[in-house]
Amino acid sequence: QVQVLESGGGVVQPGKSLRVACTASGFTFSRYAFQWVRQAPGKGLEWVAVISHDGSETYSADSLKGRFIISRDNANNMVYLQMNSLTPEDTALYYCASGSKMVRGVANFWGQGTLVSVSS
Amino acid sequence: SYVVTQPPSVSMAPGQTATITCDGSKIGNRVIHWFQQKPGQAPVLVIYDTRDRPSGIPGRFAGSKSENTATLTISAVEAGDEADYYCHLWDPTSDRWVFGGGTKLTVL
Repeated sequence: QVQVLESGGGVVQPGKSLRVACTASGFTFSRYAFQWVRQAPGKGLEWVAVISHDGSETYSADSLKGRFIISRDNANNMVYLQMNSLTPEDTALYYCASGSKMVRGVANFWGQGTLVSVSS
Repeated sequence: SYVVTQPPSVSMAPGQTATITCDGSKIGNRVIHWFQQKPGQAPVLVIYDTRDRPSGIPGRFAGSKSENTATLTISAVEAGDEADYYCHLWDPTSDRWVFGGGTKLTVL
């Protein structure tokens, strides 16, 4: 049974950094691409970033202006999203998703999300 | 970047057919996916690769596309179909994933 689990969310002050993490089980972690998608309160889904199975390819939303960095550690079955220079507009539920071996394949396995709140 | 547009809301009575559109320039050349999201839950894939249904998704859900519009059709709508629906696609021009703004389906 496939499971995806996010962690690391919390309350952070504007301008600070936060790293959220994702792990998964039920499939061969190192063979699959992973994505981060976020959803601000009461808003729609916003794609954040994707990373290839081996970490050699990463893409992120232009709107983030390079502030967010996706990475992975296949030895420990972890994917990370490093978020820098946070603003209140980054307040959202951050979902981790996977299910395709390619960065351009749709992710059909999602976690329940980790909540990030940016507030002073 | 590539932009897709969905209607904010669609309302249908039970048993009717709901049509949710996703408009984009030459979207017919893209591969489209559709997610369903109910309140307080993570999104669930209901259509992938424009027309295919994951296991467990009822045959009442169908996907199609034309030159500039992708469509999710839900036949014989039920109360349990009430949710937000999002179209989703990979833009090879920019190497970015794109979500539509979402459509709230209300079952009257």
